[in-house]
Formats: sequence, structure tokens, C-alpha cells
Amino acid sequence: AQKVTQAQTEISVVEKEDVTLDCVYETRDTTYYLFWYKQPPSGELVFLIRRNSFDEQNEISGRYSWNFQKSTSSFNFTITASQVVDSAVYFCALFIRGGADGLTFGKGTHLIIQP
Amino acid sequence: NAGVTQTPKFQVLKTGQSMTLQCAQDMNHEYMSWYRQDPGMGLRLIHYSVGAGITDQGEVPNGYNVSRSTTEDFPLRLLSAAPSQTSVYFCASSYSTASGNEQYFGPGTRLTVT
Repeated sequence: AQKVTQAQTEISVVEKEDVTLDCVYETRDTTYYLFWYKQPPSGELVFLIRRNSFDEQNEISGRYSWNFQKSTSSFNFTITASQVVDSAVYFCALFIRGGADGLTFGKGTHLIIQP
Repeated sequence: NAGVTQTPKFQVLKTGQSMTLQCAQDMNHEYMSWYRQDPGMGLRLIHYSVGAGITDQGEVPNGYNVSRSTTEDFPLRLLSAAPSQTSVYFCASSYSTASGNEQYFGPGTRLTVT
């Protein structure tokens, strides 16, 4: 069975600081997909990124970047120069290729950006 | 496209009452699923469907029924609500499961059982 661990329950930083959200996953499958979702206070789930297990290239999108390391089974998410609008709960999730049993979510990290 | 829609947005039930949470998608997605979100627990899969007429249980199926008579609709039924079913429910859909396609989530239904 697969598992996703987000050890940081809550992180609080001051605006403009950089912050990294950790995600560690467990699976025996060699083909899988990793996701990050954002859940702002309004409650909806916003897709941020998908990465497959064969692509270990880091990705940058504006102030967001993701570091995927298969050697440590980690898929960490960094926000550079954080803003108050980044305040949300962030979920890391794992999907097994061909698996019909959906996404396995971590418990989420509540990120608070203080002005 | 409306994407994934859910109704109602909020619902209060008394213990023992029944109700159906509605979910519909207009993207012709094969795969649909229901999750519940509880504080500190992340989202957990309740039931899923890989196509019309096919459903199966997820991690936490007890107390819930589903059916999939059309590609578009995937309702979730609570036959006899219990306080433990107080939660936020999300419906999701994706094109298929074969390639880890992005799952599109509905806006959620906040259910309180008293």
C-alpha cells in the first residue's frame, strides 16, 4: 500500500520569506505520479503540479518550485518570496499508474503567511 | 464547461436521516470518485467508478452507497446518517486512470450530522 507523509502540520512565516513544504512518499510501484494541491480558505482544491516517476527534473513556475528526488522518495515544494495570498493548506498526493483507487493524500500542511 | 459540480454546498442532517449528494461532470471523464476530508486527516477515498455501470470501494466506504448509471453523474448516498459522517465531501473526475491524469475536484459539500 502507498503512503504520503507531510510531517509539517503547520508552518508560519513572515511575508517575503522563502518556505519549503516537505512531502515523503512510499510505494512499491515503479510507475507513479505525484501531485500538489492547494486548498485556500475558500475550500476548493486547486491543482498545482503533476510529476511522473520517470521525470526527476526540478520544475519552476513563477515563485513556485518543486524538487523531486527518487533516492529519498521526496517531492518538496518551495515558495519563494511568499505572499499573504499563499496562505492555504497544501496537500501532496500520490497516484499509482493504472490504479483505480484514486489519489493517496498526505494530511496537509497549513501554511500561514503573516504580513 | 462547468467542470465538476456538486450539490448541495451545505447540508445539515439528523442522525438516521438519508440523503444523496449529487455530483456531475461535463468533461466526458471515465473516472469519478468521492473523497471525504476531515480535520488533520487529508482526503480519503470513499468510492470510485471507472465507467458507467462500474463502481468499487475505496478506503472508507462504510455507510455510503454509489451508483453510476451515466458517464456524467456519480451520486453518493447516505442511507442512515451518523455523526461520524460529518465531513466535507469532494467529488473528482479524470479522463482515465491509465496515465495519472489530473483529477478535477468539485467545490465540495459540507455535511453536518447532529
